Amino acid sequence: QKEVEQNSGPLSVPEGAIASLNCTYSDRVSQSFFWYRQYSGKSPELIMSIYSNGDKEDGRFTAQLNKASQYVSLLIRDSQPSDSATYLCAVNKGAQKLVFGQGTRLTINP
Amino acid sequence: GAVVSQHPSWVICKSGTSVKIECRSLDFQATTMFWYRQFPKQSLMLMATSNEGSKATYEQGVEKDKFLINHASLTLSTLTVTSAHPEDSSFYICSARGLNAYEQYFGPGTRLTVT
Repeated sequence: QKEVEQNSGPLSVPEGAIASLNCTYSDRVSQSFFWYRQYSGKSPELIMSIYSNGDKEDGRFTAQLNKASQYVSLLIRDSQPSDSATYLCAVNKGAQKLVFGQGTRLTINP
Repeated sequence: GAVVSQHPSWVICKSGTSVKIECRSLDFQATTMFWYRQFPKQSLMLMATSNEGSKATYEQGVEKDKFLINHASLTLSTLTVTSAHPEDSSFYICSARGLNAYEQYFGPGTRLTVT
């Protein structure tokens, strides 16, 4: 079992709809969770961090964390073509390292 | 805030030569910096973790004598690829984390091509 698992996609969502990205992790003691967006040929960009169970909203983005189920998700409301990218879920392992999932490729169709 | 720069953004070198990549945190002090490499259509692979003033900790399978990392100050880390070979061609990305912080902020990356 991979430490952080994501559906690689591609996930296609029509413009204006809600895109839902999911991630599961195996290490129950993980405490910090992050979503990064990576455009093709570019480096990852941090878009959300979440540390407590529940929802955290920032603009069109909502991160959801359920530690009991070891599940993290990212919702993107009112999806725009510019949201088309690969989304990486990352989990803090130990004191320093992040463990990344393989990423979900999201395409927003105009 | 939380801006990380890398230089150069791309470099082409001949096989057998060495290449140095710089990573700088511009608006915060980075107590920890990380170096990753990424091949096309693959996820990030952590190469090493460096704390300011300490030796870097390399991931399993990464040759520390080939990939020299120096983190001499709270705003600068360097990665030197020694005796580069074509198989070292890749996208090298650094990230930085501040004191008592969990978030990592990535630099824009350096695309290395070894001919």
